[in-house]
Amino acid sequence: ETGVTQSPTHLIKTRGQQVTLRCSSQSGHNTVSWYQQALGQGPQFIFQYYREEENGRGNFPPRFSGLQFPNYSSELNVNALELDDSALYLCASIPDLEEDTQYFGPGTRLTVL
Amino acid sequence: QQQVKQSPQSLIVQKGGISIINCAYENTAFDYFPWYQQFPGKGPALLIAIRPDVSEKKEGRFTISFNKSAKQFSLHIMDSQPGDSATYFCAARGHLGYSTLTFGKGTMLLVSP
Repeated sequence: ETGVTQSPTHLIKTRGQQVTLRCSSQSGHNTVSWYQQALGQGPQFIFQYYREEENGRGNFPPRFSGLQFPNYSSELNVNALELDDSALYLCASIPDLEEDTQYFGPGTRLTVL
Repeated sequence: QQQVKQSPQSLIVQKGGISIINCAYENTAFDYFPWYQQFPGKGPALLIAIRPDVSEKKEGRFTISFNKSAKQFSLHIMDSQPGDSATYFCAARGHLGYSTLTFGKGTMLLVSP
């Protein structure tokens, strides 16, 4: 296994609500990326954090935000949920000394009704 | 500029056959090309990867062929097994001050017994 865990596994929200998804990675993995995977599509990069600072962002609006904590955990927050936000949300951690490899968690399946 | 095109969308191969999945990219700044395998309900798992200074890499039954001039790379699965049935994603890594993966849309492989 990758050592990356995510919670919850599944989540159902209604349009307009806010959601927080959580990720936990291993010690020594100071970089974490979040991806959105719509049904039948490849993962799309949302943003990346390194040592608690956002250092990169994909083409996602500001209502997608994140936090990274010193204990190698992180959060993805989505405000004002839209139907199109329904997707599998993946976090991936990158070991400090192994930049090539991104270890993905199992994902959180978010359904927005 | 950041697009990675993957084909075919789906593939059915008989047990023992060769599965071939192709990808093409546009951005010559990409410096690392991994393939990920994803089973239903799981996150993507790194299968094999190649750098653009190498034309071929083999790990067990999995081979990546890389054509830098054509900006194309492919995954070959030899002696395909029913357990290989999964969705396969090619990806390309870019460096924009941070490391991010751009994924293809995926190929759903079914290996028939």
